[in-house]
Amino acid sequence: QKEVEQNSGPLSVPEGAIASLNCTYSDRGSQSFFWYRQYSGKSPELIMFIYSNGDKEDGRFTAQLNKASQYVSLLIRDSQPSDSATYLCAVTTGNQFYFGTGTSLTVIP
Amino acid sequence: DTEVTQTPKHLVMGMTNKKSLKCEQHMGHRAMYWYKQKAKKPPELMFVYSYEKLSINESVPSRFSPECPNSSLLNLHLHALQPEDSALYLCASSQDEASGGDSYEQYFGPGTRLTVT
Repeated sequence: QKEVEQNSGPLSVPEGAIASLNCTYSDRGSQSFFWYRQYSGKSPELIMFIYSNGDKEDGRFTAQLNKASQYVSLLIRDSQPSDSATYLCAVTTGNQFYFGTGTSLTVIP
Repeated sequence: DTEVTQTPKHLVMGMTNKKSLKCEQHMGHRAMYWYKQKAKKPPELMFVYSYEKLSINESVPSRFSPECPNSSLLNLHLHALQPEDSALYLCASSQDEASGGDSYEQYFGPGTRLTVT
């Protein structure tokens, strides 16, 4: 079983809609959770990080963490074509930093 | 400022060449990382330096040799690479290396696109 799992997509949403990206992790002891955005040919860019159960909002982005169910999600409100990218979930367990395989998001104008 | 810089942006090298990739950060971060990323795959961890000492080596072939000259700089020396080593090489840094209950977000540089011919 992989440490971090994401649906590879592609996920397509119309412009202005809410995009919902999900990530599950296998180790109940995982302590920190990160979302990165990666445009094709570019490096990963940190969008959000969350450590505690619940929601964390930053502009159009909301990260949601549910440790009991071992999932973390990223909501993107009012999606824009510029949000089209691959979104990588990353989880820290002990001193290890695990990436999911990423979800490809396309926002259709 | 969360900037990590990497040089060169692109590198083409033959299998007999020796080259080096460079990474620099001025955020006072104590942990620095090298990752390798192939197309449509997530980054794969290669090496971790913590307080200028090699902390993690993920069983990387010896043709890749990391070096941390000081707390701001990280090099990756390349020698006798194979075509399958062609990839995007990413450097990242974080305030400290994750341990126990503490973990820190990693900031990535723009990467070096390496092609081995």
